[in-house]
Amino acid sequence: GDSVTQMEGPVTLSEEAFLTINCTYTATGYPSLFWYVQYPGEGLQLLLKATKADDKGSNKGFEATYRKETTSFHLEKGSVQVSDSAVYFCASFSGGAQKLVFGQGTRLTINP
Amino acid sequence: SAVISQKPSRDICQRGTSLTIQCQVDSQVTMMFWYRQQPGQSLTLIATANQGSEATYESGFVIDKFPISRPNLTFSTLTVSNMSPEDSSIYLCSAPVGDSQETQYFGPGTRLLVL
Repeated sequence: GDSVTQMEGPVTLSEEAFLTINCTYTATGYPSLFWYVQYPGEGLQLLLKATKADDKGSNKGFEATYRKETTSFHLEKGSVQVSDSAVYFCASFSGGAQKLVFGQGTRLTINP
Repeated sequence: SAVISQKPSRDICQRGTSLTIQCQVDSQVTMMFWYRQQPGQSLTLIATANQGSEATYESGFVIDKFPISRPNLTFSTLTVSNMSPEDSSIYLCSAPVGDSQETQYFGPGTRLLVL
């Protein structure tokens, strides 16, 4: 079945550092891919998405590019802020599964 | 983006009791989803609720434990029955809103602690 694998956390960075959170997927066909963010004590917010190969999703300075050849959707940000501290989830949605499949989540802490 | 609300936002319950969680969407949607997020874990899909039909449960979840109602296109409830401490989790509902059935928006979650 479909699955999503994220890099192990937690990740701790200093403010203004470069961020990469790796995400790879396995799916039947070509799924749509998503990054969700969960701030402390809150629900999930959609951060960005990409629906086909080579698409780049972007929002709030975060970016991720749908790479079919490496089945990846890595999340990047050039300069993180303390307010980016949260748990980030990568997810896929394929026509085969007909549901969102989530990675295990990566907890990010940004120190001032 | 859609506005999805849940009630209650949190609760502390005694074992053996049941809690019903409500989910309201600000627009009509065909499908609604219920997830469980155990402490420090990712989200696990409990069931898919379609209006006018029985909910479809994922492996490991049964209707007797998690009965779901879907009386109309904007509302659903999830009941956690005969609770035990292992049911302590965050319960979230979601719905795809707009043109894309793949893009789901989530409610703020219900934080449940069972003593």
